[in-house]
Amino acid sequence: DTEVTQTPKHLVMGMTNKKSLKCEQHMGHRAMYWYKQKAKKPPELMFVYSYEKLSINESVPSRFSPECPNSSLLNLHLHALQPEDSALYLCASSQVEQGAGGYTFGSGTRLTVV
Amino acid sequence: ILNVEQSPQSLHVQEGDSTNFTCSFPSSNFYALHWYRWETAKSPEALFVMTLNGDEKKKGRISATLNTKEGYSYLYIKGSQPEDSATYLCAPFNAGGTSYGKLTFGQGTILTVHP
Repeated sequence: DTEVTQTPKHLVMGMTNKKSLKCEQHMGHRAMYWYKQKAKKPPELMFVYSYEKLSINESVPSRFSPECPNSSLLNLHLHALQPEDSALYLCASSQVEQGAGGYTFGSGTRLTVV
Repeated sequence: ILNVEQSPQSLHVQEGDSTNFTCSFPSSNFYALHWYRWETAKSPEALFVMTLNGDEKKKGRISATLNTKEGYSYLYIKGSQPEDSATYLCAPFNAGGTSYGKLTFGQGTILTVHP
């Protein structure tokens, strides 16, 4: 299995809802990432997990809460989001948290906050 | 925030044309340079990861070069095909400074190859 699987592919949520995005990989990668991409902008790093521990938080608002329950799974819990949080959320993984290997990306969750 | 610039922003070529794009990045704290191809409605796909100054990598009709001293990389596509149409993203990975341990993406070059 050489894929990163993200679910759901699309999500529409209200500003008072709580939802979660899920990311799964079975390549034995020990680093996992959340990126956010707004239209016509490059992906922006949100969080990095290395060996299931949070190693980088790019000053992301607390309404986004990441969780790494095991080495194959990465979740992003969403609560009280704003319309400006509407974006494509990409998950990626790499063998370890270093830049010498390419990242494997999922196809993303398209989030719309209404 | 790391300043990563890609040019041109978009490019339209005819099938069979050869083309190239540029990625420029700060040379300080450099560790690696990634290139990704991102087709619409698909996942970004890693093309190359380059670490050494003067490095050249090739994958089929696509090749890339790296100059870490001056902070730039070129991506070349020989004999473009319609299936090469995609956004090409470069991303330096830093080993120091405020961008330590992070992959920072440029805006991308959108390539459209017309049959």
